[in-house]
Amino acid sequence: DIRMTQSPSSLSASVGDTVTITCQASQDIMNYLNWYQQKSGEAPKLLISDASSLETGVPLRFSGSGSGTHFSFTISSLQPEDFATYYCQQFDNVPLTFGGGTKVEIK
Amino acid sequence: EVQLVESGGGLVQPGGSLRLSCAASGISFPEYEMNWVRQAPGKGLEWISFITGPATTMYYADSVKGRFTISRDNARDSLYLQMNSLRTEDTAIYYCTRGRDNWYFDLWGRGTLVTVSS
Repeated sequence: DIRMTQSPSSLSASVGDTVTITCQASQDIMNYLNWYQQKSGEAPKLLISDASSLETGVPLRFSGSGSGTHFSFTISSLQPEDFATYYCQQFDNVPLTFGGGTKVEIK
Repeated sequence: EVQLVESGGGLVQPGGSLRLSCAASGISFPEYEMNWVRQAPGKGLEWISFITGPATTMYYADSVKGRFTISRDNARDSLYLQMNSLRTEDTAIYYCTRGRDNWYFDLWGRGTLVTVSS
């Protein structure tokens, strides 16, 4: 199974900050990586597919990059509605696997 | 309205069985691959099963293989998860999710809670 190591597991930031989350795959997954946002008590929401493609309707302050084994996810100018938990997910191989999540909290 | 609605969760004893359902509306259900993803209380996301549109191919996570069975009824726009030999570690919210182009989970239900406890 491909292991997805996400870091940090949590972070505190202020509105307006730029935050970056990293996700490392245990083997080359090319760009077969998605990013999801999950707010408390809600289902996850797909934000970015194929490592860097923004889903329709997702604000431009969200971005993703990377390929192979190292990926990053950035929120520029953090907004109050962005406080949530974010997950990476690889789909290069079955079983699909998620990172452990990064909880973005208000400082 | 485009939505997925899960049902069938509840409290079950270890070793018991449960069948989850997911009703789709507002989408061309037969055209999409579907998945089940679960989340244990306070934990992260775990993909558990996949099924193609015509139900010709299914995949399972090792943690549920041999105990859970995914199926669908395209005439009823419904997805199912038959869960047998349930364990306490199966306690979780179970989400059904649409797999656009197989693996882009772009539509999720609100989930249904399964609690396995004596």
